[in-house]
Amino acid sequence: EDQVTQSPEALRLQEGESSSLNCSYTVSGLRGLFWYRQDPGKGPEFLFTLYSAGEEKEKERLKATLTKKESFLHITAPKPEDSATYLCAIKAAGNKLTFGGGTRVLVKP
Amino acid sequence: ETGVTQSPTHLIKTRGQQVTLRCSSQSGHNTVSWYQQALGQGPQFIFQYYREEENGRGNFPPRFSGLQFPNYSSELNVNALELDDSALYLCASSLVSEETQYFGPGTRLLVL
Repeated sequence: EDQVTQSPEALRLQEGESSSLNCSYTVSGLRGLFWYRQDPGKGPEFLFTLYSAGEEKEKERLKATLTKKESFLHITAPKPEDSATYLCAIKAAGNKLTFGGGTRVLVKP
Repeated sequence: ETGVTQSPTHLIKTRGQQVTLRCSSQSGHNTVSWYQQALGQGPQFIFQYYREEENGRGNFPPRFSGLQFPNYSSELNVNALELDDSALYLCASSLVSEETQYFGPGTRLLVL
């Protein structure tokens, strides 16, 4: 069965303090790994899709990387507006996304 | 380009009632997926619709059912509501040929 585990569950950062979020997965036949950002009470906002080990994608202060067992979301010099829950999901056989529990990030000024 | 929209934004029902949630997919997208997100957890896949047919289903009972219309919009129906059905219900649209799904703002359902 496909599984996704995110760590840590919560992360408190000072503004400018870079950090990384981890997404470990087990799957047979990965078709894609996805990162989303979710603000309280709102729907997930798409950030990145990664398809194969070694792939990297960047957007502003965020950079996502992928290996055969895990993905990292690096947040460089975060700002308070980067505070959100970051969700990782995988897609294998079938059409569903399997999500992890998310990492809640709080960036204090 | 119009994003995914959902209605209503909030809903309060009592146990045993039935509810219908609605979703309009992003312009050009032909596939709609529904997810249930309990507080503090990641979304759980309910089912997906493509060409007005169910195209995959998660571990949800038959009282969760859906429809897709020719314009690709969709409905999620839940019968015999239970307290545990209280959650944020998310709709996501995509192209059947692509992997990435784009989510709407969600409908918050509270069952009393």
